[in-house]
Amino acid sequence: DVKVTQSSRYLVKRTGEKVFLECVQDMDHENMFWYRQDPGLGLRLIYFSYDVKMKEKGDIPEGYSVSREKKERFSLILESASTNQTSMYLCASSFRPGGEKLFFGSGTQLSVL
Amino acid sequence: GESVGLHLPTLSVQEGDNSIINCAYSNSASDYFIWYKQESGKGPQFIIDIRSNMDKRQGQRVTVLLNKTVKHLSLQIAATQPGDSAVYFCAENWGNTPLVFGKGTRLSVIA
Repeated sequence: DVKVTQSSRYLVKRTGEKVFLECVQDMDHENMFWYRQDPGLGLRLIYFSYDVKMKEKGDIPEGYSVSREKKERFSLILESASTNQTSMYLCASSFRPGGEKLFFGSGTQLSVL
Repeated sequence: GESVGLHLPTLSVQEGDNSIINCAYSNSASDYFIWYKQESGKGPQFIIDIRSNMDKRQGQRVTVLLNKTVKHLSLQIAATQPGDSAVYFCAENWGNTPLVFGKGTRLSVIA
């Protein structure tokens, strides 16, 4: 069974902390994505990567960075967490660029206090 | 990002009835459309997709209709079941740009 695994289901952090959200896929996909999901706003793209060492900003990259050292792993970093970054974070991967038939992880619900 | 919107944020249907979930898009360059289902506590799961050179595509109990003239996408679910209760998202893209998602519609099935 193909899988996108996010390291934490729930995470509670304090304002100003550096936060790492890890994502691993076992499908040998080139393309990986980080979305943020908030009630009433749908899924919004934070960053994406179409190749190892490559990263592109999405629609809402401010306050975030990413790391893609290995093909299967795509990490989202909150340099200095703020309360407005409390959200559900979804990682996804796809075989094709652009994200056709994205496979999603189960999400990480992050609370910043 | 581009606007991918929904006509109805919530939809309640009787078990056994057909459901229709609508989605409007604004980018006439979009050439790929997809529907996802998200159950509580899970990530979105692929349901069905369609390319702009088609106007209808059918899957198991689901049909996607694309009307490019009015930039409208719909998902039809036949004989809706309790297990269909979820939030449904439409998304679009063009070329290799990342998918742009709509805000979602919550479908509630009444037994």
